[in-house]
Amino acid sequence: EVQLVESGGGLVKPGGSLRLSCAASGFTFSSYSMNWVRQAPGKGLEWVSSISSSSSYIYYADSVKGRFTISRDNAKNSLYLQMNSLRAEDTAVYYCAREGHGDHGAFDIWGQGTMVTVSS
Amino acid sequence: QSALTQPASVSGSPGQSITISCTGTSSDVGGYNYVSWYQQHPGKAPKLMIYDVSNRPSGVSNRFSGSKSGNTASLTISGLQAEDEADYYCSSYTSSSTLEFGGGTKLTVL
Repeated sequence: EVQLVESGGGLVKPGGSLRLSCAASGFTFSSYSMNWVRQAPGKGLEWVSSISSSSSYIYYADSVKGRFTISRDNAKNSLYLQMNSLRAEDTAVYYCAREGHGDHGAFDIWGQGTMVTVSS
Repeated sequence: QSALTQPASVSGSPGQSITISCTGTSSDVGGYNYVSWYQQHPGKAPKLMIYDVSNRPSGVSNRFSGSKSGNTASLTISGLQAEDEADYYCSSYTSSSTLEFGGGTKLTVL
């Protein structure tokens, strides 16, 4: 079964750090670009970051640039998001998603999401 | 404020057709044929319904169709069914190689 499973969410104080992980299974992870997308409580979807299959191309939303770092380990079939200098507005469910149709934002597989709460 | 503009809500009766619009600029929707549409039920992860403006992934009903004219993309759902009630989001690739989502549209099946 093709599957993405996120982990690492939790409660963190403003200014703190958190590292999210996304474990992939059921497909050749190293062949696909991967992304992080977040959704604040009761709000819409917000794209966060993308990384190409070989990590050659990495992009970030302006709202997280300089604070978040996306990475991947193809040997471990895993995607990561290192989040530093966290703010209250980073509170959201974080989803990892696979770009299944080219490399232009068609996310065909999503994880179940992991909740990140930034609060003192 | 989202980069792509969608109506906050639309509604229709079972069997009817509805269309949801997604308006951007020449730097996103108008500049590329890389618009996707997602369906999200409460508490669930989004599901890809349309990609590259008008392509349907395997397993998605042919009642869902997509199109684009200029800077506006559209999702049409025909033969509306109760299970279509959900939030719908458009997304577009941009000239900065990033991605933008619309603010979302709540579809109510009357």
